Amino acid sequence: QVQLQESGPGLVKPSETLSLTCTVSGDSFSSYYWSWIRQPAGKGLEWVGRIYSAGNTNYNPSLKSRVTMSLDTSKNQFSLKVTSVTAADAAIYYCARGRNNGDYFDIWGQGTMVTVSS
Amino acid sequence: QSALTQPPSASGSPGQSVTISCTGTSSDVGRYNYVSWYQQHPGKAPKLIIYDVSKRPSGVPDRFSGSKSGNTASLTVSGLQAEDEADYYCSSYGGNYNVVFGGGTKLTVL
Repeated sequence: QVQLQESGPGLVKPSETLSLTCTVSGDSFSSYYWSWIRQPAGKGLEWVGRIYSAGNTNYNPSLKSRVTMSLDTSKNQFSLKVTSVTAADAAIYYCARGRNNGDYFDIWGQGTMVTVSS
Repeated sequence: QSALTQPPSASGSPGQSVTISCTGTSSDVGRYNYVSWYQQHPGKAPKLIIYDVSKRPSGVPDRFSGSKSGNTASLTVSGLQAEDEADYYCSSYGGNYNVVFGGGTKLTVL
């Protein structure tokens, strides 16, 4: 049974960098699109971006200049960095497994809340 | 890319059917048969219930069905049950390797 688990600091200062990691267990890391999706409190879902198991990345155009994703296949982990964060980046961040062309998400992590505050 | 448009709320009585719409453009919903739907209960992660417009993952009841016409996709929940009360989100491939979500619909079972 595939499981995803997000980890990382729950509090980030404005203008600093948000860093999260997702650990994948229970299945092969290969041949999937691994994505980050976020949800501000009380609001809807926003796709942040994805990384293919071969390392190719695609980002939401509205975040592209501040987002970087990477993966560590030896640890079955993929990571997210968002630079120059503001209050608008505060959200629950979910990691998810993407299928097809990464256009739908069949397995989700439980989510991790990130607060942006000094 | 703009978010897909969903009604903020929908409701129905137990046993009834309810349909939730998801309107995009000719660049996303209208162009690709890659519409998916997610159910989210309070405090929980979203759960995939429909993909590729109308396909159901294993374990999802056939009370949930999806369809598409032009730039609008729809999710129908038949035989409403109390546990169907949740937020529902649509999503579509938006071209250029992007994915776009709808704003979400809160379904209330009366």
